[in-house]
Amino acid sequence: KNQVEQSPQSLIILEGKNCTLQCNYTVSPFSNLRWYKQDTGRGPVSLTIMTFSENTKSNGRYTATLDADTKQSSLHITASQLSDSASYICVVSAGNAGNNRKLIWGLGTSLAVNP
Amino acid sequence: DSGVTQTPKHLITATGQRVTLRCSPRSGDLSVYWYQQSLDQGLQFLIHYYNGEERAKGNILERFSAQQFPDLHSELNLSSLELGDSALYFCASSAMGAISGNTIYFGEGSWLTVV
Repeated sequence: KNQVEQSPQSLIILEGKNCTLQCNYTVSPFSNLRWYKQDTGRGPVSLTIMTFSENTKSNGRYTATLDADTKQSSLHITASQLSDSASYICVVSAGNAGNNRKLIWGLGTSLAVNP
Repeated sequence: DSGVTQTPKHLITATGQRVTLRCSPRSGDLSVYWYQQSLDQGLQFLIHYYNGEERAKGNILERFSAQQFPDLHSELNLSSLELGDSALYFCASSAMGAISGNTIYFGEGSWLTVV
């Protein structure tokens, strides 16, 4: 069964600190992995997309890593800001090319950055 | 601003009623996706349209239906509403028909409250 599991479920950190969010997946065949940021009550916003051959990708203070062998990904946030408070969702694209691909959504990690 | 426009932003209706949610994709995007997000739940994929044709169907109830029009806007129709249908409904769009490495852009959602 295709699954995406994220940890921790929630996290509280102080402003300026770094943090790392985890994503484990059991998806086959793997196509790509995405990280989204979702502010409360808003639509998700794409942070990164990584294919099988990419093991790291950055978007400003956000750096995603991918280990396709262990089927794990992480999202590292550097020098956190209050505006980083949101839910971070890991999404894995599964299936072969064409119409058979589908997105498997994790439940997200809820991050709160406190002053 | 993602470029995906959803209306209405908020809607309150009674059980048993029918509502229509509207979505205009980003300029040039041919794919439209609909998602449902209940309180404190992950995003549930409902349906995907590409250039007017249904491409994939997820956990969409028989009471729900959708269509994509020649001008590429889409509508999600929800009928015989139940209290459990109260949720945030997102529309998203992407350029291509199949889920490859394309970024999927989300609208701000339509809040539906069934009373």
